[in-house]
Amino acid sequence: NAGVTQTPKFQVLKTGQSMTLQCAQDMNHEYMSWYRQDPGMGLRLIHYSVGAGITDQGEVPNGYNVSRSTTEDFPLRLLSAAPSQTSVYFCASSYSSSGTGGYEQYFGPGTRLTVT
Amino acid sequence: GQQVMQIPQYQHVQEGEDFTTYCNSSTTLSNIQWYKQRPGGHPVFLIQLVKSGEVKKQKRLTFQFGEAKKNSSLHITATQTTDVGTYFCAANNQAGTALIFGKGTTLSVSS
Repeated sequence: NAGVTQTPKFQVLKTGQSMTLQCAQDMNHEYMSWYRQDPGMGLRLIHYSVGAGITDQGEVPNGYNVSRSTTEDFPLRLLSAAPSQTSVYFCASSYSSSGTGGYEQYFGPGTRLTVT
Repeated sequence: GQQVMQIPQYQHVQEGEDFTTYCNSSTTLSNIQWYKQRPGGHPVFLIQLVKSGEVKKQKRLTFQFGEAKKNSSLHITATQTTDVGTYFCAANNQAGTALIFGKGTTLSVSS
């Protein structure tokens, strides 16, 4: 199993450009999510999905779109990049999100995005 | 919304000293998870606590979940340079549909 894969590893964009960060998992996980990590801010949830066809907003969703057409893939779209979106983006997946116990999240290696 | 607060934000210790990070919530948590992120890496799951008052150990790491399920701690005994990184706690949001992370505690260790 490859686990959670993310592409690209690095990306530089100009303000106003659009792009899609790719995320895929091969563990048949129901739950997938996107986080951004900025110095001193920890991991902030952007969007998440509890299954194919179902997405919801997290803590910081503005400027980002997601879709979940398959169990495996959960792309994150930046519609019009802004310097404030310079960050490290992590995709994560888990078997489920529900229940008292919760489930361990597996993280991808991250995408380092710079917007100039 | 659901928030978990972590303290301290940074901690520097000499190798061999102990280290503790704390995670606090104003609401009762259904569970708490702990992750470690090495510099330049991605977060990696360490453990999950579910029961009130639960204590779990992994070698030199001891994890506790408070009796009221509103706080948790991670204690490392006799730190080593391999313990360097950022430790995050995380908890389900109130709907139970998403995992919310604290801001993390960054540990540095000098030998």
